Amino acid sequence: GAVVSQHPSRVICKSGTSVKIECRSLDFQATTMFWYRQFPKKSLMLMATSNEGSKATYEQGVEKDKFLINHASLTLSTLTVTSAHPEDSSFYICSARDLARGGEGTEAFFGQGTRLTVV
Amino acid sequence: AQSVTQLDSHVSVSEGTPVLLRCNYSSSYSPSLFWYVQHPNKGLQLLLKYTSAATLVKGINGFEAEFKKSETSFHLTKPSAHMSDAAEYFCVVKAGSQGNLIFGKGTKLSVKP
Repeated sequence: GAVVSQHPSRVICKSGTSVKIECRSLDFQATTMFWYRQFPKKSLMLMATSNEGSKATYEQGVEKDKFLINHASLTLSTLTVTSAHPEDSSFYICSARDLARGGEGTEAFFGQGTRLTVV
Repeated sequence: AQSVTQLDSHVSVSEGTPVLLRCNYSSSYSPSLFWYVQHPNKGLQLLLKYTSAATLVKGINGFEAEFKKSETSFHLTKPSAHMSDAAEYFCVVKAGSQGNLIFGKGTKLSVKP
């Protein structure tokens, strides 16, 4: 199956600093990638939809100036958490859909996730 | 609008006994449904998917799910649990033209020796 690589898997940063998380589709092109956040003991919540070459679409309640998303190529999307605070500590997961496979129900492929801890 | 409800937040079974993880969905049209599994501190792995073909879907690791339109359900089952099945399971419905996914709240499966 298609592979999505997310890096880093774990990161610890100080309050006020910024952290960049990368999401790469290794063997397919993804015009659209999705960024999710998973709170402890809760489900995944979609943060934003990242479209190659255009601005990301953010879900309601997600601060676009805080969570900067860049999708500069068909195989790379980045999420930058700016001026991180302890409440930003969470598990962030990206996913991408291999549009070449097409069709309804095409599965999404997920990265391994990034555990962010802000101290 | 699409939504998905996982009826149990935690299910505990003994090794070798059947597993049933319940999921109900709401969709304004024929849905695409998925079950994903997440092992601790790891990403998500697709178990199986329903895409309006056969209503009984077989997935990996012996799991299967049956799409029942009349009951708007898509329950996940396995005849015999293994210790390695202990994980969090998410029922997911695909929404939107771009394919973003709506997740249930997850069911944590514990398997006792």
